[in-house]
Order: sequence, then structure tokens, then C-alpha cells
Amino acid sequence: AQTVTQSQPEMSVQEAETVTLSCTYDTSESNYYLFWYKQPPSRQMILVIRQEAYKQQNATENRFSVNFQKAAKSFSLKISDSQLGDTAMYFCAFMKGVGANSKLTFGKGITLSVRP
Amino acid sequence: DAGVIQSPRHEVTEMGQEVTLRCKPISGHDYLFWYRQTMMRGLELLIYFNNNVPIDDSGMPEDRFSAKMPNASFSTLKIQPSEPRDSAVYFCASSMTGTLGYTFGSGTRLTVV
Repeated sequence: AQTVTQSQPEMSVQEAETVTLSCTYDTSESNYYLFWYKQPPSRQMILVIRQEAYKQQNATENRFSVNFQKAAKSFSLKISDSQLGDTAMYFCAFMKGVGANSKLTFGKGITLSVRP
Repeated sequence: DAGVIQSPRHEVTEMGQEVTLRCKPISGHDYLFWYRQTMMRGLELLIYFNNNVPIDDSGMPEDRFSAKMPNASFSTLKIQPSEPRDSAVYFCASSMTGTLGYTFGSGTRLTVV
């Protein structure tokens, strides 16, 4: 079974600065997909970014980028130019594949606070 | 599309009562997932369906929990009888074969007193 570990329960960052959220996972699969979801106080789960394991290039979405280290099974999220609206819980998640393998396994999450 | 629609948004019930949570997936999505979120255990997959058929219900905590999907546009998660430890946020999500990632509903916050 796959496991996803987010060892930092909380982090805080000053507005406009950069912060990195850590995530490690364990799997015997060679191809899979990784995700970061954001959950603001509204409770809505919002997809931030995703990475296909077969792609060597790290995914980026505007101020959000990942550092994917396949050998180390590490998948960290970097948020640049932090904004107050980035305050939320962030979940790292693993998916084995599409179709019948498409269930997501989540880490416990990290609470990020952006200070004005 | 209005997205994944869950109802009710909040539910408070007394221990021993039956609770029914409802979900309408996005039209055309053939996968539907039910998750439970608690502080202690995070987000746990309870059950998921493909084309209205349950595929994996290994996450359903006990026989008090049941889920159905009578058609492509509606699913229910029922707890009978409810217990205080069932208090959590319950999410429904849907996806389409061949696509990555889910669309989540807004969740139902269940409080059992």
C-alpha cells in the first residue's frame, strides 16, 4: 500500500516571501501521479499542482512549483511571493494511475499561515 | 457545470439517529469517491464507484456505514445508527476516466451529539 507523509504540521511565512512544504511517499510503483491540494477555511479542496512521475521536468503553475525527487520519493511544494490568500491547509496526495487505479491517498496535511 | 454538489452542508444529529449524506457528481464523470476528514486521521477514502458500481469499500469503517449510487447523477452515504465518533467532514468527489485529479464537493460537516 502507498503511504504519504507530511511531517511538518504547521508553518508560517511572511507575506511576499517564499516557503517550501515537504512531502515524502512510499510506493513500489514505477509510474504514478502526485498532487498538492489546498484547503482554505472555506473547506473546499482545490487542486494546486500535479506531477506525472514519468516526467523529469518539475511542474510549475504561476507562483507554485514542485521539486520532484523520484529516487528519494520526495515531492515538495514551493510557494513564491506568498500572499495572504495562500493561508490554508495543504495536502500532498498520491495516485497510482487512472481509471481503476485512480484513488487518491492523502498525507495528513500542513497548516500554512501567511503573516501580513 | 455547477460542480460536485453535496447536501446538507451541515448536519447535527443525536446519537443513534440515521444520517443520510447526498452527492450529485459532475455530469459525465464516471467515478465517484466518498472521503472522510478528521483531525486525527486526515482524509480517508471510504468507498468509490465506477459507473454506479461499488469498486472498493474497504475503507468503510463498519457495518453502520453504507453507500449507494442508484444512478449516474446521485449517491448517498448513510450512517445508521450514528455515534459521536462519526463526527467529521464528509467529502464527495468525482472524476472522469482518463483524466487526472478529482473535483471535490464542498463537504458535509456532521456533528453527532
